[in-house]
Amino acid sequence: DTEVTQTPKHLVMGMTNKKSLKCEQHMGHRAMYWYKQKAKKPPELMFVYSYEKLSINESVPSRFSPECPNSSLLNLHLHALQPEDSALYLCASSQAGQGLYEQYFGPGTRLTVT
Amino acid sequence: AQSVTQLDSQVPVFEEAPVELRCNYSSSVSVYLFWYVQYPNQGLQLLLKYLSGSTLVKGINGFEAEFNKSQTSFHLRKPSVHISDTAEYFCAVSDPGGGADGLTFGKGTHLIIQP
Repeated sequence: DTEVTQTPKHLVMGMTNKKSLKCEQHMGHRAMYWYKQKAKKPPELMFVYSYEKLSINESVPSRFSPECPNSSLLNLHLHALQPEDSALYLCASSQAGQGLYEQYFGPGTRLTVT
Repeated sequence: AQSVTQLDSQVPVFEEAPVELRCNYSSSVSVYLFWYVQYPNQGLQLLLKYLSGSTLVKGINGFEAEFNKSQTSFHLRKPSVHISDTAEYFCAVSDPGGGADGLTFGKGTHLIIQP
């Protein structure tokens, strides 16, 4: 099984809402990632978890809060977002270790903030 | 810090013609290089990767890439494209500096296959 699943596929939320994005993999990977992709742009790294610990936070605003409850799950909690946060949010996973291993991407959650 | 340059934002090619998508990287240390493809409304799929060893790397769907250290390039090629190859192609680099690192992507090249 080389699949990374993400739910929901689409999400529309107001600026005062609280919502969560979910990501799951069953490949035994110990590194998981969140990327943000705006239209016609490349993905931009947001967070990296390695062995369930946050190892990289690319200066992401605190209205985005990641969580890694176990080695298979990765959440992204959203609160008080702005319209400019509308984007495709991609989750990825890989074996952990020195950037050596390819990342497997999920299909993404398309988020619209109104 | 490493960076990736994809000079061509869009490449139109006729079906069954060969194509080359260009990628140059900038890094003072050894890097790992990847090509990913993104079809409309989908996530990214790995085409191929270069970690070490042979500079010619073969990937899925008939794609191959050649690592050229002196020119700091990692161009993607396919001898004969198909309509289904229409997609966005991203070159990416990771830093083998230890731990799990994210990827740094180029801006992407939109491959347009014309019948």
